[in-house]
Amino acid sequence: DTGVSQDPRHKITKRGQNVTFRCDPISEHNRLYWYRQTLGQGPEFLTYFQNEAQLEKSRLLSDRFSAERPKGSFSTLEIQRTEQGDSAMYLCASSLAGLAETSSTDTQYFGPGTRLTVL
Amino acid sequence: DAKTTQPPSMDCAEGRAANLPCNHSTISGNEYVYWYRQIHSQGPQYIIHGLKNNETNEMASLIITEDRKSSTLILPHATLRDTAVYYCIVRVGVRNYGGSQGNLIFGKGTKLSVKP
Repeated sequence: DTGVSQDPRHKITKRGQNVTFRCDPISEHNRLYWYRQTLGQGPEFLTYFQNEAQLEKSRLLSDRFSAERPKGSFSTLEIQRTEQGDSAMYLCASSLAGLAETSSTDTQYFGPGTRLTVL
Repeated sequence: DAKTTQPPSMDCAEGRAANLPCNHSTISGNEYVYWYRQIHSQGPQYIIHGLKNNETNEMASLIITEDRKSSTLILPHATLRDTAVYYCIVRVGVRNYGGSQGNLIFGKGTKLSVKP
């Protein structure tokens, strides 16, 4: 049973450097979400994809952040010119959304997260 | 902002049932109630969700009041490994391809401590 995987699990970088995280969703899941979690807070939504299309972005996603899902499978989240305020756990989740016309729901399954520390 | 209210912390004795309440008085007709939990330094783990009816799975039971303004997550026989932060989330049903409103909005949750 392969769940959502994220790589790396931990990343320490110096302020001003660029970092890239990878997320591999559950096989055949068509939606992929990115969240950020700072200490003592619940996760906060950043962005999500349906297949390769990026459908929604939070205002938390500044222009230093970019996310891609080029072939509708794995996704990358890049942070350019990191700042100390970017230190957080970055979480990825995936789900299988139906294609019916009616409203429904999809359950998101989370990966273990990537903990970023910016020095 | 989160649309739910939960107590910040609760204690439960090992082997007893843990009943975690959640208020969602402004819930709309097409919004689901989801429960996740997060054990320290791990990603959130899905527990259960429901719309109107009570739900049960291998992990827990979800009791939703008839007016849907509150719900209770029940862990029937709590163990030490159930110590975690439990999040109650109200989420609109997502539409088909091309729709938005897909994200989960987490509050601070309830820190459940299961004690021996």
